[in-house]
Amino acid sequence: DAKTTQPPSMDCAEGRAANLPCNHSTISGNEYVYWYRQIHSQGPQYIIHGLKNNETNEMASLIITEDRKSSTLILPHATLRDTAVYYCIVRGRSNFGNEKLTFGTGTRLTIIP
Amino acid sequence: GAVVSQHPSRVICKSGTSVKIECRSLDFQATTMFWYRQFPKQSLMLMATSNEGSKATYEQGVEKDKFLINHASLTLSTLTVTSAHPEDSSFYICSARDVALIYNSPLHFGNGTRLTVT
Repeated sequence: DAKTTQPPSMDCAEGRAANLPCNHSTISGNEYVYWYRQIHSQGPQYIIHGLKNNETNEMASLIITEDRKSSTLILPHATLRDTAVYYCIVRGRSNFGNEKLTFGTGTRLTIIP
Repeated sequence: GAVVSQHPSRVICKSGTSVKIECRSLDFQATTMFWYRQFPKQSLMLMATSNEGSKATYEQGVEKDKFLINHASLTLSTLTVTSAHPEDSSFYICSARDVALIYNSPLHFGNGTRLTVT
């Protein structure tokens, strides 16, 4: 599985765009990039995923570089409720052939009022 | 959207007893469910993959006789922590993917079960 590298923490002012970077330089051609977030004491919440093209949904935008070695999650107008740990994950397969998600340490995003 | 429900959300048990955690996909079917464990201030660690109608597959270092997994139907997987000890105290989270969707469709997670062993 491709490993990901994220900054351990970031702050963002409320109402501003939060840009969360992720490096996945060993990603293979058929692996997708997924973003999840985890608010304290809850299960991870799916945000967005992509392969090559940039993606946008009601929660966020995902920008993937042309070489696919890095990506950025953008929360366009951050609110206090966006304070969470954000995980960038490259989806691979387990030793037994089942797809799985391997979580790294993530980025703790704090939205400042 | 896809909903995964876990029960109970919190459980306290005495050392040496067993605890069962349920994971249900409420509005979709899941041939595969995944069980994770999360210790305080750490990330999620995959414990095992639960396969409907067959044996679960465990990640390296996870004792299959201690963490019993049963996936008896397309909407229910259970994790039983047998002979629990205080070091088993953790946040257990399950996830599932809709079998009707394509490979790259996202996994959905339950809200976790906080187990405290006294």
